[in-house]
Amino acid sequence: DTGVSQNPRHKITKRGQNVTFRCDPISEHNRLYWYRQTLGQGPEFLTYFQNEAQLEKSRLLSDRFSAERPKGSFSTLEIQRTEQGDSAMYLCASSFAFEQFFGPGTRLTVL
Amino acid sequence: KQEVTQIPAALSVPEGENLVLNCSFTDSAIYNLQWFRQDPGKGLTSLLLIQSSQREQTSGRLNASLDKSSGRSTLYIAASQPGDSATYLCAVRLLANQAGTALIFGKGTTLSVSS
Repeated sequence: DTGVSQNPRHKITKRGQNVTFRCDPISEHNRLYWYRQTLGQGPEFLTYFQNEAQLEKSRLLSDRFSAERPKGSFSTLEIQRTEQGDSAMYLCASSFAFEQFFGPGTRLTVL
Repeated sequence: KQEVTQIPAALSVPEGENLVLNCSFTDSAIYNLQWFRQDPGKGLTSLLLIQSSQREQTSGRLNASLDKSSGRSTLYIAASQPGDSATYLCAVRLLANQAGTALIFGKGTTLSVSS
């Protein structure tokens, strides 16, 4: 399968713990995006990488969130000191030109 | 601020019906518009991408139109099937020199097709 992959698919954590998600984009896609989706809402943009450079960050990306894309390949999204409000589906997408292709998402539940 | 609205929020139809999903956006300065399908608890599947210079795109039983000046797009589904049941999301990308490359999504239309 050459699509976007995300791991883990599900994560349950206790409030205050740190979590890290991984996204592997489609091979040769130089652009990578992170979005967050809560129940009944459309995805909301978090951050964008072109190759290894993080070029855009949404105001939704608080200081507790950090994203990296070393060597312009896979990306990680870390949430420190999780809060119940962080419970959501975290979606990763990649693109080479105009069309964005999404992964299956990581569902985070913070207890 | 760009806002994307999808109407209706939910739609139930019998199998075989043709249907139209609507999407409107407040800022006509878009780079492109993309329609997605999302099954419950899953990621998004890209259905159609329309560049701002295009009027419509077709893929199988799906046809998407774009009227940039009026800020509207429609997704037409012909001969609906139970397997079409899902949430359909519309998203726009603003012109790169205005706001980068992020997609701005509507809340979606949840479609249920009964057999």
